[in-house]
Amino acid sequence: DGGITQSPKYLFRKEGQNVTLSCEQNLNHDAMYWYRQDPGQGLRLIYYSQIVNDFQKGDIAEGYSVSREKKESFPLTVTSAQKNPTAFYLCASSPRVYEAFFGQGTRLTVV
Amino acid sequence: ELKVEQNPLFLSMQEGKNYTIYCNYSTTSDRLYWYRQDPGKSLESLFVLLSNGAVKQEGRLMASLDTKARLSTLHITAAVHDLSATYFCAVAPGGTSYGKLTFGQGTILTVHP
Repeated sequence: DGGITQSPKYLFRKEGQNVTLSCEQNLNHDAMYWYRQDPGQGLRLIYYSQIVNDFQKGDIAEGYSVSREKKESFPLTVTSAQKNPTAFYLCASSPRVYEAFFGQGTRLTVV
Repeated sequence: ELKVEQNPLFLSMQEGKNYTIYCNYSTTSDRLYWYRQDPGKSLESLFVLLSNGAVKQEGRLMASLDTKARLSTLHITAAVHDLSATYFCAVAPGGTSYGKLTFGQGTILTVHP
């Protein structure tokens, strides 16, 4: 089955800890994206990557880091510098046409 | 800076009634998307609108795009309970990476018997 797989589904982070959210796609899409969703709000772009070994900051990149070493994978690290990380995180990918496809999301909670 | 505004943000409807959700955006765009989100779930793509005057329909939902007015509408016909969800519009500025979207705040739709 082709698709976008995010893991874990739920993640708990202690204060001051870095955590990494996984996003893998087997759709052979060039571009991948990370979005953050806060309760009752729309999605905001954190980072995106259009090709391997290259990525750009989105609107709210502070406190996050990414890597794109393989076409299939675009992990997001939420660092201790992100002061309010509790949110729903969605990964997306798109081919070189107009559609974007979303994963099932990771819900991150600070404990 | 591209801004996308939806209204209303909350919509409570009776089954069988019609209503429209509006999506206004601030700069030129060549693509507009409508998504549905159920509680705790990911986004489901409903419509992709690519040109001025585009109209698409699926079941009880119809979306249209007026690029001159920078306005898209999502019309709900004869609402049923299963349509209860949050609906987002999203805009991609011209010439940008295809999944680089700016979202509206979302419209929470509740359909009552």
